[in-house]
Amino acid sequence: AQSVAQPEDQVNVAEGNPLTVKCTYSVSGNPYLFWYVQYPNRGLQFLLKYITGDNLVKGSYGFEAEFNKSQTSFHLKKPSALVSDSALYFCAVREGSGANNLFFGTGTRLTVIP
Amino acid sequence: SQTIHQWPATLVQPVGSPLSLECTVEGTSNPNLYWYRQAAGRGLQLLFYSVGIGQISSEVPQNLSASRPQDRQFILSSKKLLLSDSGFYLCAWSPGTATNEKLFFGSGTQLSVL
Repeated sequence: AQSVAQPEDQVNVAEGNPLTVKCTYSVSGNPYLFWYVQYPNRGLQFLLKYITGDNLVKGSYGFEAEFNKSQTSFHLKKPSALVSDSALYFCAVREGSGANNLFFGTGTRLTVIP
Repeated sequence: SQTIHQWPATLVQPVGSPLSLECTVEGTSNPNLYWYRQAAGRGLQLLFYSVGIGQISSEVPQNLSASRPQDRQFILSSKKLLLSDSGFYLCAWSPGTATNEKLFFGSGTQLSVL
């Protein structure tokens, strides 16, 4: 069965500093990995995904994530945080071999301090 | 282009009353459809998903049910609401032909059961 862990409920970072939001996963086959962002009282917005190929994936709003198979991780990163990046971030995984459902982590609230 | 509509945006219902939340997708055919619940702004939980008309998979046993009477319509229901049914409900869709595609989310329904 698939599962996703986001070990940090809350991440605080100063504006202009690099940010990392951690995610580890567990699947029995090849993982399809996703990051989503949620602003207050809104649906989730897609940021980026890893399916295959280059381990470093670039997405929307300057975010990127690195797939690390040996550590079963898919951490979200950004070189320089903006106050507007403050939101709830979700990591998600789908087992690649024909699975239709996407399992989400519990979310990490990112606060960028001016 | 594809769009997803979810309504109502907010709903306040007494305990024991019925529930019907509707979600429709436009601009695509044979989508995979999903219902997620988010409790207290965190922890996205997959409730149901559907790969076709009349085909519903339930991820967790609960007081809710789902139906898909038409290709692009997905309905979340309950005969008698419980206090624990309160939460933020999100409908989503993904292309039915590939499992590496991202999900597109509706704007959500905030349900308060009193």
